[in-house]
Amino acid sequence: QVQLQESGPGLVKPSGTLSLTCAVSGGSISSSNWWTWVRQPPGKGLEWIGEIHYSGSTNYNPSLKSRVTISGDKAKNQFSLKLNSVTAADTAVYYCARVGGYRSFDIWGQGTMVTVSS
Amino acid sequence: DIQMTQSPSSLSASVGNRVTITCRASQSISTYLSWYQQRPGKAPNLLIYAASSLQSGVPSRFSGSGSGTDFTLTISSLQPEDFATYYCQQSYSTPYSFGQGTMLEIK
Repeated sequence: QVQLQESGPGLVKPSGTLSLTCAVSGGSISSSNWWTWVRQPPGKGLEWIGEIHYSGSTNYNPSLKSRVTISGDKAKNQFSLKLNSVTAADTAVYYCARVGGYRSFDIWGQGTMVTVSS
Repeated sequence: DIQMTQSPSSLSASVGNRVTITCRASQSISTYLSWYQQRPGKAPNLLIYAASSLQSGVPSRFSGSGSGTDFTLTISSLQPEDFATYYCQQSYSTPYSFGQGTMLEIK
């Protein structure tokens, strides 16, 4: 079955760029699905970051839109998140997920903790 | 943007109890409503999609209902593994948004 795995640096300096990758196994990123990123600050709730379709179309949360880019790599069967100009407020567990029926998030990666600190 | 409000924020219950969590959207979202369970240190897990459709592999004691702006998640008979945090999420329009969560604790 489809599995997702996030990877990337666990520590990013303030004003730097957070870069994460989500590797997809057991299925193709070029399927008809959308693929999405969600984050969760320590002890807080879930925040939707944005999504990408295999065609390359993207949607972003306006609260982050000026700083975020989501891209896909069909050859490597993965998609990526870049968040610029990070601050301590961007410290969170970052999850990638597959968008399924009725645009629910039906398969999730295990999540990766990213801390913004000097 | 659509705001999602869950109630209660926390809930204490005993094994075997029936519990209901509610979620209200700030505008109509038809049935584009999902429910997730999140255990500490784990990723969220999809329970219900399309307001009332049970995700494959999820026990039948979980059920969802509602349409428009008001939705409920019901657990018919609590099991020890059900003590977790539950989130609703609207996918009617972007930016997709989640409720603040309901922490279900053992009484």
